Amino acid sequence: DAKTTQPNSMESNEEEPVHLPCNHSTISGTDYIHWYRQLPSQGPEYVIHGLTSNVNNRMASLAIAEDRKSSTLILHRATLRDAAVYYCILNQGGSEKLVFGKGTKLTVNP
Amino acid sequence: NAGVMQNPRHLVRRRGQEARLRCSPMKGHSHVYWYRQLPEEGLKFMVYLQKENIIDESGMPKERFSAEFPKEGPSILRIQQVVRGDSAAYFCASSVTGLEADTQYFGPGTRLTVL
Repeated sequence: DAKTTQPNSMESNEEEPVHLPCNHSTISGTDYIHWYRQLPSQGPEYVIHGLTSNVNNRMASLAIAEDRKSSTLILHRATLRDAAVYYCILNQGGSEKLVFGKGTKLTVNP
Repeated sequence: NAGVMQNPRHLVRRRGQEARLRCSPMKGHSHVYWYRQLPEEGLKFMVYLQKENIIDESGMPKERFSAEFPKEGPSILRIQQVVRGDSAAYFCASSVTGLEADTQYFGPGTRLTVL
């Protein structure tokens, strides 16, 4: 399974932007980059995904490097509700399962 | 559109008993996935099913665990003769297709405690 590397933890202040990095140097051409998050005591929640181009939705933006070896999840204005573990996952072509790493634990300070 | 539903939310069993965990996918979704999260650990894939078929069970323990997704009704994850090490949160997810670009929607989980 393709591997991703994320910082163990990050901190942010409320209403400030947050940039969560992910390295995936062994990514292949057919791998989609997915981001999920897990709030305390809840199931994972889909955030965003992309293949090559940057993506925006109501929750976040995903910036993908030109060589696709890294990506950044951007929360434009962090709220206390955004405190969660964020997982960057490569979903390989032909593989349906999600392989979760340790993710980044985001703490949002009021 | 109701989300993925799992029941029970909490389940307590004694060692040696059976545990049955149920998952109702989102309406229109015919693909179901089960994941397990041991205490203080990440989520691990267990099994992927479509209606009446097991597609990938590479993450399932070889013994005591089984899963089904019948033509009618919810998907069931069954654990026979539970042991303390089975204590974990079990999450079910569903998707419209099984494609790598498809989003998986997760349920709230069943927290199994084995005494």
